[in-house]
Formats: sequence, structure tokens, C-alpha cells
Amino acid sequence: GAVVSQHPSWVICKSGTSVKIECRSLDFQATTMFWYRQFPKQSLMLMATSNEGSKATYEQGVEKDKFLINHASLTLSTLTVTSAHPEDSSFYICSATRQGVYTEAFFGQGTRLTVV
Amino acid sequence: QKEVEQNSGPLSVPEGAIASLNCTYSDRGSQSFFWYRQYSGKSPELIMFIYSNGDKEDGRFTAQLNKASQYVSLLIRDSQPSDSATYLCAFHSGGYQKVTFGTGTKLQVIP
Repeated sequence: GAVVSQHPSWVICKSGTSVKIECRSLDFQATTMFWYRQFPKQSLMLMATSNEGSKATYEQGVEKDKFLINHASLTLSTLTVTSAHPEDSSFYICSATRQGVYTEAFFGQGTRLTVV
Repeated sequence: QKEVEQNSGPLSVPEGAIASLNCTYSDRGSQSFFWYRQYSGKSPELIMFIYSNGDKEDGRFTAQLNKASQYVSLLIRDSQPSDSATYLCAFHSGGYQKVTFGTGTKLQVIP
């Protein structure tokens, strides 16, 4: 199956700083990547859809100026949490889809962000 | 109406029993359906996908799809404690590659 690598797997940062999370598709070209956030004991919440070479599409209620998404190539998308606060502490997961009729989502390992 | 509805559970079954997980969806244009399993603190992993009406079997897992009723289910035979996880139903529709997820059903297999 296709492999999506997410880095880092965990990060602790101080309140007010920014954190960048990378999502790479290792063996396929991902024209579309998705960023999810998951709080403890809750489901995946789609934050934004990232298309290569264009601006990301954010879900309602997600601040685009706080969660910066860049999809510069067909294999890399980044999520930057700017001016992080403790309430941003969460599990962030990226996924990539490979074009086809049966579009399976391949997930990265997730990034556990803790803002102190 | 939510696009994908799942009972949040928890669904508790004894070890060795059949676990039945259900999911309904609202988009009649949905083409393919997926079941993902997510262990606590981990990313989801694909168990099965199904795109035709009827049953699809893979080992202890059977996915069932009824497009007329907009219903998809997952049966887990001979449930094991290691099957304890949250199971996410998802579907893909149209040319846009977005995969829509349900909220998940938490399954507990009691030894």
C-alpha cells in the first residue's frame, strides 16, 4: 500500500511559538492532502483540504491565518500552527488520496502537539 | 442531517462473538465505502473497502453494502480483544477526492 510519512510524531512547544508539521507521500503523487485534528475521545475533524499548487480550502470554523497550509509539491504538504496556545494541543493527522475510482485515504502517523 | 451516521458506542461483545457495526450515509452519489480501524493515540488504518451492493469478505471481516437503503455495515467474526478500537466508516463520492468520515463506533471485546 501507499505510504504517508508525517513528521514530527510529537512536539512540545511554548505558548506563542509556531510549529510546522510535514506530511509526505513517499511512493505516490498526492494531488490532494487533508489535515485533521482529533481531540481526546473525539472523532477526526477535517480542518482543511490541500491541493498542490493552490490555496487550501478550510472547513468552517478553522482559522486560515492560524493554521497555515502549504502544498508546494505533489509529495509534500505542511501545516504550520502559528502562535500556538494550549487549546491547540491536539493530535494532528494528515492523509493523502491517490487518484482512482476507489479513493482510499492513506494516513500519516499523526503528530501529538502539546503547547505549554 | 450528518453525512455519515454511526452509533458512537461503546459496543461491547464477548470474545469469540460476532461484532456488528453499522453506518448510514446521506449522499446517494457515494461511490465507494471504507472501514477504518483506529487504536487510541494512533492514526486510522484501512480494514476494507466496498463499492458494490452485497457482501465482501476478508478473513474475519465482512463488509455489507446496501445502496438503496444507504447503509453499510462491518461484521467481525470471532472477535478478539485486539479488535478493541474505534471503527470509522467513510465514503468517497464524485470526482473530488475528499473522503468523508463518520464519528466512529468504539468496540470493546471482553475477554
